[in-house]
Amino acid sequence: QKEVEQDPGPLSVPEGAIVSLNCTYSNSAFQYFMWYRQYSRKGPELLMYTYSSGNKEDGRFTAQVDKSSKYISLFIRDSQPSDSATYLCAMSGVRNQFYFGTGTSLTVIP
Amino acid sequence: NAGVTQTPKFRVLKTGQSMTLLCAQDMNHEYMYWYRQDPGMGLRLIHYSVGEGTTAKGEVPDGYNVSRLKKQNFLLGLESAAPSQTSVYFCASSYSTESSGANVLTFGAGSRLTVL
Repeated sequence: QKEVEQDPGPLSVPEGAIVSLNCTYSNSAFQYFMWYRQYSRKGPELLMYTYSSGNKEDGRFTAQVDKSSKYISLFIRDSQPSDSATYLCAMSGVRNQFYFGTGTSLTVIP
Repeated sequence: NAGVTQTPKFRVLKTGQSMTLLCAQDMNHEYMYWYRQDPGMGLRLIHYSVGEGTTAKGEVPDGYNVSRLKKQNFLLGLESAAPSQTSVYFCASSYSTESSGANVLTFGAGSRLTVL
């Protein structure tokens, strides 16, 4: 079983839609939960991170962590064509080991 | 503040040639990592370092060597390149869990390597 599972998509939505991206994980020791955005032929850039459980909001983006279900989500409100990218979830525990999902490809259609 | 810088950005090698990828970070991070990213495979850890002078193997270390002679630099070497090493290579760095910084990764822009 992989440490982190992420649906690869691809996901295609119209501009203005609400997007929900999700990952599940198996290791209860994970403490940091991250979302990275990767544009084509670029490096992953940190979008948001959450420590332990709860929600975090940054503009149109909301990250949620449910440690009891081992499930994390990223919501994008009022999606824009500039949001078209691959979104990677990542997690880490106490030993600076990072575990990544394979990424979900998102296209926002104008 | 440049963050994580990788050189070169692109390189084409012939089978059997050697090369070194250089990663430099200016954030005083303790931990540094080399990943490769292939279609459908996601990011896979090659080697990592928990501090100056230390290195350790990751998930896919075969065919690669690394060195961390200075805290800010992490070098990835290919001694005898093979077509299976055609990939995009990313360097990343992070604070240690004992520091006050958040335990997240900062990535470089990537180095695209083709081995013919």
